[in-house]
Amino acid sequence: GENVEQHPSTLSVQEGDSAVIKCTYSDSASNYFPWYKQELGKRPQLIIDIRSNVGEKKDQRIAVTLNKTAKHFSLHITETQPEDSAVYFCAASIKYSGGGADGLTFGKGTHLIIQP
Amino acid sequence: DAGITQSPRHKVTETGTPVTLRCHQTENHRYMYWYRQDPGHGLRLIHYSYGVKDTDKGEVSDGYSVSRSKTEDFLLTLESATSSQTSVYFCAISDAKGEGTGELFFGEGSRLTVL
Repeated sequence: GENVEQHPSTLSVQEGDSAVIKCTYSDSASNYFPWYKQELGKRPQLIIDIRSNVGEKKDQRIAVTLNKTAKHFSLHITETQPEDSAVYFCAASIKYSGGGADGLTFGKGTHLIIQP
Repeated sequence: DAGITQSPRHKVTETGTPVTLRCHQTENHRYMYWYRQDPGHGLRLIHYSYGVKDTDKGEVSDGYSVSRSKTEDFLLTLESATSSQTSVYFCAISDAKGEGTGELFFGEGSRLTVL
């Protein structure tokens, strides 16, 4: 099955600096790669996603890059702000055997700390 | 936020007792999922459903069962709770609409403590 590795587990950056979180996946059939942000005590929420036919996608201060050959993708946050402090999860799509269902395998998360 | 609610939000129970968590959606999405979240492990899939009465196992399904008798409800049951099942449980829904995997919308989570 799919295995998603995420690094680092904790990342501390100064406010205003950039943050980069990296993930690798194992299943070459994966074609969808979302990133979720989870604030303390809250539910995970999608912040950006990318499909395998695209190499890069940007939304304001957030960008995701995908290298299908190397099977890795990264989240880039520029001009970090205090509200960016949270746990970030990467994920890769997986095809389940039941009913042709699609799902996601998640990385273990990165705790991003923005230092004032 | 997508119309998805979980109940109960918090529960404390004793080892050996049965527990049922409920996930209710108002989005008419086809797919529903139960994940557990533990420190250092991220989100791990317990069971999923791809239609009424259609369910299958995820990667950590031992000790859990599920049922889906209506599109809107997906129940997770711990027949005999153990301390290792202390966790935060998230329900999620999605509706890929023929585009392959789509966004997962998560419920607020249910924190279960087994003493």
